[in-house]
Amino acid sequence: AQTVTQSQPEMSVQEAETVTLSCTYDTSESDYYLFWYKQPPSRQMILVIRQEAYKQQNATENRFSVNFQKAAKSFSLKISDSQLGDAAMYFCAYTPDKLIFGTGTRLQVFP
Amino acid sequence: DTGVSQNPRHKITKRGQNVTFRCDPISEHNRLYWYRQTLGQGPEFLTYFQNEAQLEKSRLLSDRFSAERPKGSFSTLEIQRTEQGDSAMYLCASSSGTGEYEQYFGPGTRLTVT
Repeated sequence: AQTVTQSQPEMSVQEAETVTLSCTYDTSESDYYLFWYKQPPSRQMILVIRQEAYKQQNATENRFSVNFQKAAKSFSLKISDSQLGDAAMYFCAYTPDKLIFGTGTRLQVFP
Repeated sequence: DTGVSQNPRHKITKRGQNVTFRCDPISEHNRLYWYRQTLGQGPEFLTYFQNEAQLEKSRLLSDRFSAERPKGSFSTLEIQRTEQGDSAMYLCASSSGTGEYEQYFGPGTRLTVT
């Protein structure tokens, strides 16, 4: 079965600091995509970053970067220079077609 | 490009009533997905369409649930004889379906069954 696990229900970080959110997944597929989505309180899901499994290079989008370890089936998100607006639920998701989500990590950012 | 829209945003209904939600995807997106999200959980897949064809339905989708995408554009999700356990946020997402796998989400419809 394809599953996504986020083992950190909550994380906190001070403004301007760096935080890493963890995600592991299980699949027998060789070709797939991984995503991190952000869901602010009472607001819609926003795509943060994506990673194609066939690419060895880790994806980067401004302050957001991933550490993709295919053999270990690990896909962590690093947020650098954290801002108050980064506070949200973060969901890791896997897809060959439909999205399979983890249970989420709630990120709090303190000034 | 106005993004994915969903209507209504909120729906309160009594147990046993039927409800219908609408989703308008990003124009020219071929794929349309429905997910359900309960409080504190990640979204769970319900069903998806490639144009007007419904390609997959989750086992979570009981026979009280039906979804359509009649002209390959907007989609509707109907729940018949609602139960309190149906209370959730119903999310719609769309993707181009042509080599890009990102899904873009609408704001959701929050259903409360009393």
